[in-house]
Amino acid sequence: RKEVEQDPGPFNVPEGATVAFNCTYSNSASQSFFWYRQDCRKEPKLLMSVYSSGNEDGRFTAQLNRASQYISLLIRDSKLSDSATYLCVVRTDSWGKLQFGAGTQVVVTP
Amino acid sequence: SAVISQKPSRDICQRGTSLTIQCQVDSQVTMMFWYRQQPGQSLTLIATANQGSEATYESGFVIDKFPISRPNLTFSTLTVSNMSPEDSSIYLCSVDQETQYFGPGTRLLVL
Repeated sequence: RKEVEQDPGPFNVPEGATVAFNCTYSNSASQSFFWYRQDCRKEPKLLMSVYSSGNEDGRFTAQLNRASQYISLLIRDSKLSDSATYLCVVRTDSWGKLQFGAGTQVVVTP
Repeated sequence: SAVISQKPSRDICQRGTSLTIQCQVDSQVTMMFWYRQQPGQSLTLIATANQGSEATYESGFVIDKFPISRPNLTFSTLTVSNMSPEDSSIYLCSVDQETQYFGPGTRLLVL
């Protein structure tokens, strides 16, 4: 079983709509959680960290459910520029090693 | 956030040859990480490079195939040795500053 699993999508989303997707992780001792965004042929870039109480950054809302070992990302009022692959990233130890999900592809259509 | 550059940005190489990828950071960092991202897949950690000590390799990666140098706190190199077409991938370096920041990647095609 992979340490971090994501629905690969693609999620085809009309512009202005809301899309949400989850990521599950297998290591219950995981310490930190992140969503990264990766555009085609570009490096991953941090979208947001995920805090235990849930957090928002503009149109993006991230939540953590430690009991069920998943994190989620919700995008409201989708823009065409939100089209990308969203990587779920989990830090499993204190010195920096990260586990990456394979990514969820989101395609926002006009 | 750290600013990271990589050279070369892309290369096409013949099998059996070696390529050295350079990673430069604009600030001093303790650890640098080298990842591989094969087409359509997510990132896989190759090794962690600490200044002044041997790199730590992940399962499935060995020093003979991917030698790493870390001569100072702002620079590292990864060599892909005796390349085969299976080594065609994007190679990314990253640094950890509360979270990880990535260089732009080196796109390698081995013929």
